[in-house]
Amino acid sequence: KQEVTQIPAALSVPEGENLVLNCSFTDSAIYNLQWFRQDPGKGLTSLLLIQSSQREQTSGRLNASLDKSSGRSTLYIAASQPGDSATYLCAVADSGGYQKVTFGTGTKLQVIP
Amino acid sequence: DVKVTQSSRYLVKRTGEKVFLECVQDMDHENMFWYRQDPGLGLRLIYFSYDVKMKEKGDIPEGYSVSREKKERFSLILESASTNQTSMYLCASDRTDQETQYFGPGTRLLVL
Repeated sequence: KQEVTQIPAALSVPEGENLVLNCSFTDSAIYNLQWFRQDPGKGLTSLLLIQSSQREQTSGRLNASLDKSSGRSTLYIAASQPGDSATYLCAVADSGGYQKVTFGTGTKLQVIP
Repeated sequence: DVKVTQSSRYLVKRTGEKVFLECVQDMDHENMFWYRQDPGLGLRLIYFSYDVKMKEKGDIPEGYSVSREKKERFSLILESASTNQTSMYLCASDRTDQETQYFGPGTRLLVL
């Protein structure tokens, strides 16, 4: 059974800092990995999706990397802003048949002005 | 823009009541999902549906049922609500050939 872990559970940084969020998963036979953002009391918004054959994806100040062999992904946020404050969730879709998605418990990020 | 809407943002019910949570998507997606989200446990899949009138159990289906009579609408039913069903409920949808799920805003349910 796939397990997805995100460490740390919470992170507080001053505005302007570059930061890295971590995600690890136990079964490397994945279809893809996604990073989502969740604002308080809201649904999830997809940020970046990495296919199992890819190493990284970039969107603006965000860069996500994937190392399937070690079961790890990182989300790099450059020049953080207060508007980046949210919970970031990692989600892994398993390969084979219907791509069941397993979510991590998230990292709650606070960017302090 | 894909839009997934949920019938209520907040709901307060009493133990034993029958509860209906409704989800509607406007992008003709085949697949729809119901998750619950609890602190420290993340999102857990309750049920999903890949076609009208089709349903599959997720990881935690006990105490829940679902209905999908129309492609755009997926309902989650709590036959007899219990306090341990207090949670945030999230609906999502996607197309079979599309890799990201689109989420609704969530319904925060409190069972007293």
